[in-house]
Amino acid sequence: TQLLEQSPQFLSIQEGENLTVYCNSSSVFSSLQWYRQEPGEGPVLLVTVVTGGEVKKLKRLTFQFGDARKDSSLHITAAQPGDTGLYLCAGAGNFNKFYFGSGTKLNVKP
Amino acid sequence: NAGVTQTPKFQVLKTGQSMTLQCAQDMNHNSMYWYRQDPGMGLRLIYYSASEGTTDKGEVPNGYNVSRLNKREFSLRLESAAPSQTSVYFCASRIGQIEAFFGQGTRLTVV
Repeated sequence: TQLLEQSPQFLSIQEGENLTVYCNSSSVFSSLQWYRQEPGEGPVLLVTVVTGGEVKKLKRLTFQFGDARKDSSLHITAAQPGDTGLYLCAGAGNFNKFYFGSGTKLNVKP
Repeated sequence: NAGVTQTPKFQVLKTGQSMTLQCAQDMNHNSMYWYRQDPGMGLRLIYYSASEGTTDKGEVPNGYNVSRLNKREFSLRLESAAPSQTSVYFCASRIGQIEAFFGQGTRLTVV
C-alpha cells in the first residue's frame, strides 16, 4: 500500500468528456503536487498547491487541495488525446520526505 | 542543462549480484531521492537525503543502501540483487517545496 491512494487506477474516455482524479491520504501534507508522466520518462510537474482549500487552474485542468490538506483532486474539462498519460499526486511530509501516489493511467480516445 | 543524470539506463543482473546506480544533479539542490516504479504503480520512495551528509529511509528501503557522496551525487546500491527488485528506478532532486526534477530512469531486470 502507498501513503497516497489515487482513484481511479485506470480511466479510458472519449475525447471531449470530463473527468476527475482523486488523491487521498490519512496524513496531512504541507504541500501537494500533481505530475504527469509519459512512457519512458520521469514525471513532470503540473502544479503545486499549498493552502487548504486552494484551487488552481491550468487551462483545462483544475486542481483542488482539501481543506484538511489530506486530499486533492484533478479535474480535466473536455479531455483531448494529448492528455493521455500517467497522472501522479505527490505529498511533502516531514523532514523533506516526498511521497507519490499510486497513479492514474488516463487514455483519451479520439 | 543536464538537470538530473542517471546511469546506467538499462541493466540486467543475475540474482545475488551487486551493483550501484549513480545519480548526479547540477542544480545545487539540497534534497535528493531514490524511487522505484513497478508496472501499474506510482513511485515508491526508497531512500532520500535532505542535505549533504544525511540520508534516511523511505517506504521500501529493504535490500538497498545509499550514499550521499557530496551535494551533487546520490548513489543507490543493491548488495545482493533479487528478482523482486526488478523495476524502473528514478532519482530526483528538489529544493524546498518546489518542483522535483527527475532523471530518465534506470530499467533494472534481475534474473
